[in-house]
Amino acid sequence: QQQVRQSPQSLTVWEGGTTVLTCSYEDSTFNYFPWYQQFPGEGPALLISILSVSDKKEDGRFTTFFNKREKKLSLHIIDSQPGDSATYFCAASGAGNTGKLIFGLGTTLQVQP
Amino acid sequence: DPKIIQKPKYLVAVTGSEKILICEQYLGHNAMYWYRQSAKKPLEFMFSYSYQKLMDNQTASSRFQPQSSKKNHLDLQITALKPDDSATYFCASSQTGGSGQLYFGEGSKLTVL
Repeated sequence: QQQVRQSPQSLTVWEGGTTVLTCSYEDSTFNYFPWYQQFPGEGPALLISILSVSDKKEDGRFTTFFNKREKKLSLHIIDSQPGDSATYFCAASGAGNTGKLIFGLGTTLQVQP
Repeated sequence: DPKIIQKPKYLVAVTGSEKILICEQYLGHNAMYWYRQSAKKPLEFMFSYSYQKLMDNQTASSRFQPQSSKKNHLDLQITALKPDDSATYFCASSQTGGSGQLYFGEGSKLTVL
């Protein structure tokens, strides 16, 4: 059973549009939620992260929202660019900062010019 | 320049053989990890090391053996290879007690025939 679920599996948006990716999780002890971006042939790279004590974190065009009650989070990308085309992974971990992240299956984003 | 070097980038092996995946990090981190990315599966945590000591092992098989000869090295030996071992193996590192951010290498893609 997947502990971290992502949707949609794939998504196409037009350049300049807003992309919304969603993620849900099972384990209520999870308290750290990073989003990773991966380009083909590369390793995942941290995009933005949020702790469970916050409900929103913004970094430039990227914003992540966290809803503890519903065990859901989302990633919003405004003014989406073709260079944002990549696979996005939601992940989660519990207390202890052990480096063990539970990843979702990812969302493949295509931004069309 | 990549700060986490994984070698080789691609490798092909025959069933039953043994391979070693190399990982070196130049970020000054004291924790290192191995993750596996298989088709249709989430990125999966395998091992974590801190100060060259095994902290967590989530692999069910003893065929996977991490080896840390130096503080910034964490190699992965895989014996008695099976086709199901075909995957991309990612090395990652982080600073223990830090923000929890994991930095990933570019991966070693293993194909077992």
